[in-house]
Amino acid sequence: EAGVAQSPRYKIIEKRQSVAFWCNPISGHATLYWYQQILGQGPKLLIQFQNNGVVDDSQLPKDRFSAERLKGVDSTLKIQPAKLEDSAVYLCASSLDLAGELFFGEGSRLTVL
Amino acid sequence: QKEVEQNSGPLSVPEGAIASLNCTYSDRGSQSFFWYRQYSGKSPELIMFIYSNGDKEDGRFTAQLNKASQYVSLLIRDSQPSDSATYLCAVSGAGSYQLTFGKGTKLSVIP
Repeated sequence: EAGVAQSPRYKIIEKRQSVAFWCNPISGHATLYWYQQILGQGPKLLIQFQNNGVVDDSQLPKDRFSAERLKGVDSTLKIQPAKLEDSAVYLCASSLDLAGELFFGEGSRLTVL
Repeated sequence: QKEVEQNSGPLSVPEGAIASLNCTYSDRGSQSFFWYRQYSGKSPELIMFIYSNGDKEDGRFTAQLNKASQYVSLLIRDSQPSDSATYLCAVSGAGSYQLTFGKGTKLSVIP
């Protein structure tokens, strides 16, 4: 069974530029999460989707971050404009449903210069 | 706001010893407790979860939960160099896998 796919794996941009990350969850998984993990810290939930609806985006900095999950499958996380403090690994995870075990992708490492 | 606290370490133990990792949490309503292992540059992988007070054993790993003290721990017996990683404690509320993570404890097992 294929795992959670993320791309790109690495991205370097300058501050004020924009970036987008893509996630393809495990087939059949209804719930999708985006986490931000800053170096030396644990992952922090940014947004949670159930199918194509948002369950929780309370910690998403909405002035610069946006996320969508069209058709309830793939998801895209966008940052515009990026700040230095956005340098982190962006982890996508999926689960069968709201109470299911999370499976993480390999992550997308963002460096903002 | 839910908080999960862990000693960041590093925790160094000799090969074959028992490694003890600790975690406290602030939300008394937390229902489920998880330990993830994260190798450097890799994504977290689930090691164990525990819902009820007491001990839960899986191979060399034992999770311990004390809800009254809001404390959860992970014991690793017969530690191996391959256990060297950061261990993340995470908690969630009832019926949800929306996880709040601690900062993680870095474990180093010395051959």
